[in-house]
Amino acid sequence: DVKVTQSSRYLVKRTGEKVFLECVQDMDHENMFWYRQDPGLGLRLIYFSYDVKMKEKGDIPEGYSVSREKKERFSLILESASTNQTSMYLCASSLYFVRESRETQYFGPGTRLLVL
Amino acid sequence: QKEVEQDPGPLGVPEGAIVSLNCTYSNSAFQYFMWYRQYSRKGPELLMYTYSSGNKEDGRFTAQVDKSSKYISLFIRDSQPSDSATYLCAMSLMFTSGTYKYIFGTGTRLKVLA
Repeated sequence: DVKVTQSSRYLVKRTGEKVFLECVQDMDHENMFWYRQDPGLGLRLIYFSYDVKMKEKGDIPEGYSVSREKKERFSLILESASTNQTSMYLCASSLYFVRESRETQYFGPGTRLLVL
Repeated sequence: QKEVEQDPGPLGVPEGAIVSLNCTYSNSAFQYFMWYRQYSRKGPELLMYTYSSGNKEDGRFTAQVDKSSKYISLFIRDSQPSDSATYLCAMSLMFTSGTYKYIFGTGTRLKVLA
């Protein structure tokens, strides 16, 4: 079974703090993703990475950065947390997309972040 | 206009009912269509996957794609209280560069009443 784990289920931080969210997958997947999920807005892609040290901006990268030093680990960094970054953060991973095979994203359990 | 539209619900049905969940999309280039189920306080998990227009069945679940109308559906037969969850549609397309675009709907919250 594919397992995607996230470092925290719940996190409370203060405005201006630097926040690190960690994600680890155990299936040697090439691709890893960070989403945030908000009511009425659904899942929005923040950043993704298709290889170690590679990263691509998603739809809403502002205020975030990422790091992928090892294949199995993808970190999301909030440089200076703000209240509008209060959200559910979901990490996902997937195999490299091959035209003849299906693409499946495997999600972690999520981190609920509250910024006060 | 959003690329993928999905009614957020909530949708309440009695146990045993047939449930119909739907998404519409605007980009005709989407190639792959997925349905994810997300239980409360959990991450989404893949439920169904389809590539072409038509129906795909898996147990009590049927996924339907109509590319001409840009409309996808998920049907749940003999619905159970354990089906209560949020259902997200997703679709993707692959660019010639090898990268791909993956878009999720906002999700429909389903409650099956015992």
